[in-house]
Amino acid sequence: GQNIDQPTEMTATEGAIVQINCTYQTSGFNGLFWYQQHAGEAPTFLSYNVLDGLEEKGRFSSFLSRSKGYSYLLLKELQMKDSASYLCAGWLTGGGNKLTFGTGTQLKVEL
Amino acid sequence: DGGITQSPKYLFRKEGQNVTLSCEQNLNHDAMYWYRQDPGQGLRLIYYSQIVNDFQKGDIAEGYSVSREKKESFPLTVTSAQKNPTAFYLCASSSRGQGGNQPQHFGDGTRLSIL
Repeated sequence: GQNIDQPTEMTATEGAIVQINCTYQTSGFNGLFWYQQHAGEAPTFLSYNVLDGLEEKGRFSSFLSRSKGYSYLLLKELQMKDSASYLCAGWLTGGGNKLTFGTGTQLKVEL
Repeated sequence: DGGITQSPKYLFRKEGQNVTLSCEQNLNHDAMYWYRQDPGQGLRLIYYSQIVNDFQKGDIAEGYSVSREKKESFPLTVTSAQKNPTAFYLCASSSRGQGGNQPQHFGDGTRLSIL
C-alpha cells in the first residue's frame, strides 16, 4: 500500500514559523491534503495541493513537489491555538475520492 | 446549518453485542466514509460509499458492516466479530468533483469503549 510519512511531534515558540514535512510514494498519488485536528475533535480541512508549488492561505501555506513525493505545511506567526495534530493525506489515483492518511504530527506551541 | 452529525458522542459495548453508529449529512454529498482513529495513529478507512446503494471495503473492514439506503445516511455497525472495537470513529463526506479533489468534511466523532 501507499505510505505517508510525517514526524510524530514538533515543538515551536509562539510567534515563530514552523514547517511540517510529509513524504509519500509517488506512484498512485495525485494530490495532497492537509488537515488540522485538535484533541478529541474532528479534523478540519486546511489545504489541497495537486500541482507543484506553494498555496498560501493567510498564516498557513502548503507546498507540493510531485516528482520528489514531498509536501510541507508552513505555519507563520504561531499562536497557542495552533497546538494540534496536523494530518497529511494523499489522494490515490483510480481510488475514487479515497484518502490515505499519515499518522499526524503533534505540534506543541510554547510561550 | 449544513454539516455532518454523528451520534452518539460516547458509546459503550458489551461482549457479544453489535452496536450501530449513526452518521447523517445535509451537505448533499454523494460520497461518505467511515474511519477509525486509535491513539498515536492516523485515520484508517473502514468503509466508503460513493453513491447510494453502493459501498466498498476500506483497509480494515473486518468486523464492521455498513448500509447506504439514503444519500444522507451512512450508519456503521460494529459487530461482535470486531475484537478490539475501542477507538474514536469518524464519519466524513465529500462531493464527487472531477479528479477527486474535493475535501472531506468530518463529523465530531463517536468514542466507542468496551464495558
